[in-house]
Amino acid sequence: KAGVTQTPRYLIKTRGQQVTLSCSPISGHRSVSWYQQTPGQGLQFLFEYFSETQRNKGNFPGRFSGRQFSNSRSEMNVSTLELGDSALYLCASSPGQGGDTIYFGEGSWLTVV
Amino acid sequence: QKEVEQDPGPLSVPEGAIVSLNCTYSNSAFQYFMWYRQYSRKGPELLMYTYSSGNKEDGRFTAQVDKSSKYISLFIRDSQPSDSATYLCAMSVQTGANNLFFGTGTRLTVIP
Repeated sequence: KAGVTQTPRYLIKTRGQQVTLSCSPISGHRSVSWYQQTPGQGLQFLFEYFSETQRNKGNFPGRFSGRQFSNSRSEMNVSTLELGDSALYLCASSPGQGGDTIYFGEGSWLTVV
Repeated sequence: QKEVEQDPGPLSVPEGAIVSLNCTYSNSAFQYFMWYRQYSRKGPELLMYTYSSGNKEDGRFTAQVDKSSKYISLFIRDSQPSDSATYLCAMSVQTGANNLFFGTGTRLTVIP
């Protein structure tokens, strides 16, 4: 069974630009969550999508947004990039019930210059 | 105060040692507890998943949960150099949502 797939793995953007990251969950999983990982703050929850609807949201500004498609694939977008947005962005998938085991992808390394 | 506290280490042990990693938490609504292992420049890999208080064993790994003390532990027996990684505790509440609250991670090095 294929794991969680994230693309691109590495990217460099300039301040003020926007970026879109993609995530394909494990087959059959309907919940996709996004996390930001930085050395200073660790892993922080961004948002979760289930059946194309945002079900839960962390404490991030509106520049961070996401969506989920009918095949459960998800994208997240960050607009007006700031230097502090440089981080590893991780996607996680689960079947979608409470108390699921949650599996992470390898992440997308974003560097903002 | 963060909801989940974890000693960041770093922790260095000789090969074969028993390693103890710990987290404390403040939110009594947390019901599910996980340990993830993360190698450098990789995503977190799920190691252990527990729900109730008590011990759960899987090979060389034992996860321990004490809900009354809001304290969880991961023990690694017969540690190997391949165990060198960052270990993250994570927990979630019992709802339909799946957002995890993470500790900051403990970096472990097992010296051959």
